[in-house]
Amino acid sequence: DTAVSQTPKYLVTQMGNDKSIKCEQNLGHDTMYWYKQDSKKFLKIMFSYNNKELIINETVPNRFSPKSPDKAHLNLHINSLELGDSAVYFCASNARVTGELFFGEGSRLTVL
Amino acid sequence: GENVEQHPSTLSVQEGDSAVIKCTYSDSASNYFPWYKQELGKRPQLIIDIRSNVGEKKDQRIAVTLNKTAKHFSLHITETQPEDSAVYFCAASIPGGGADGLTFGKGTHLIIQP
Repeated sequence: DTAVSQTPKYLVTQMGNDKSIKCEQNLGHDTMYWYKQDSKKFLKIMFSYNNKELIINETVPNRFSPKSPDKAHLNLHINSLELGDSAVYFCASNARVTGELFFGEGSRLTVL
Repeated sequence: GENVEQHPSTLSVQEGDSAVIKCTYSDSASNYFPWYKQELGKRPQLIIDIRSNVGEKKDQRIAVTLNKTAKHFSLHITETQPEDSAVYFCAASIPGGGADGLTFGKGTHLIIQP
């Protein structure tokens, strides 16, 4: 049983395209996140959703938009992709009682 | 917002020796400090955490210490083994907002030399 799963694992696309990454968690957590990990391995929070409400929106371009159809899913849509968007994107969910973040396997996005 | 500094960025130790990674945080309201290990090509995974009401916590070869006054916390790994080679991230909770999101340090690449 995969706790946090995201698809696709790899995504190669051209500049200017629009793409989506899907994320699902079966842990019953209320809060889900998207983190971006760049080539230097820096992990930076992008979005947080709690019960379908956006809680944190760091300084992320509005080309990025999270969509949460229900509390088990948090998808990431990216419009007009740029070279600098190339990174690994991790979905995560939060165990409120313990505080532990559970990460998905990551989606490596390469923009050509 | 919270700012977390982590040092060193790379640490190379001989197998069997100890490794220490240090982090500082800026917001005195932060109250939760986890450490994550990320092996090459894999997801970050929690290895140990500490809360602000505790000064030290140990789990087998891994220990974490917290100094709230100085706003720094450290990860200690004793008797290092090849499988300890990975990138380690410290983090601090983002106060307020109710989402308990974490601010991560920039990571330490730990290399265990045979």
